Amino acid sequence: GIQVEQSPPDLILQEGANSTLRCNFSDSVNNLQWFHQNPWGQLINLFYIPSGTKQNGRLSATTVATERYSLLYISSSQTTDSGVYFCAVGTTNNDMRFGAGTRLTVKP
Amino acid sequence: SQTIHQWPATLVQPVGSPLSLECTVEGTSNPNLYWYRQAAGRGLQLLFYSVGIGQISSEVPQNLSASRPQDRQFILSSKKLLLSDSGFYLCAWFGQNWHYGYTFGSGTRLTVV
Repeated sequence: GIQVEQSPPDLILQEGANSTLRCNFSDSVNNLQWFHQNPWGQLINLFYIPSGTKQNGRLSATTVATERYSLLYISSSQTTDSGVYFCAVGTTNNDMRFGAGTRLTVKP
Repeated sequence: SQTIHQWPATLVQPVGSPLSLECTVEGTSNPNLYWYRQAAGRGLQLLFYSVGIGQISSEVPQNLSASRPQDRQFILSSKKLLLSDSGFYLCAWFGQNWHYGYTFGSGTRLTVV
């Protein structure tokens, strides 16, 4: 199956800093999503982005499908951005595989 | 709008007891439904998925089973729980529009004691 690697595994930032999270995958994919898991466990869909670039407020994401990676950018980080960020990829809608996640801590 | 409900939110069960977790979706029809498990501090593992009533595909053979008795209902079960079944169980759905991708329920935190 497809292998998904996320980096870094842990990231600690001061409030207001910017960050870049990376997701590498081992094979061509048709689907890619970024999620944020908050401290209560809720998984929030951030972006569905199998290719191209999208932006939503302080967050943006870019997927370069031909080079098998995706990047999630967080600008002007806030304490509420803390949590675990997951990348999930798949070739169909029934084989989405999750990376191990990046645990982000934003300090005030 | 589409919503997904999971219950209960937390559950503590003794080893050897049965399990039934329920997930329902509102505002859509014929969704693809999924059960994932997340062990403490780790990523998500796909357990089962269903593309329609009575249609279940298992990703990982284990002590659990799933059923889909109605179009918008997905149930995760076990006849006898093991300690290793502890974890955070999440239900997800995918509708007809991939613009949104997967949507997850709020999860059930299961502790087997």
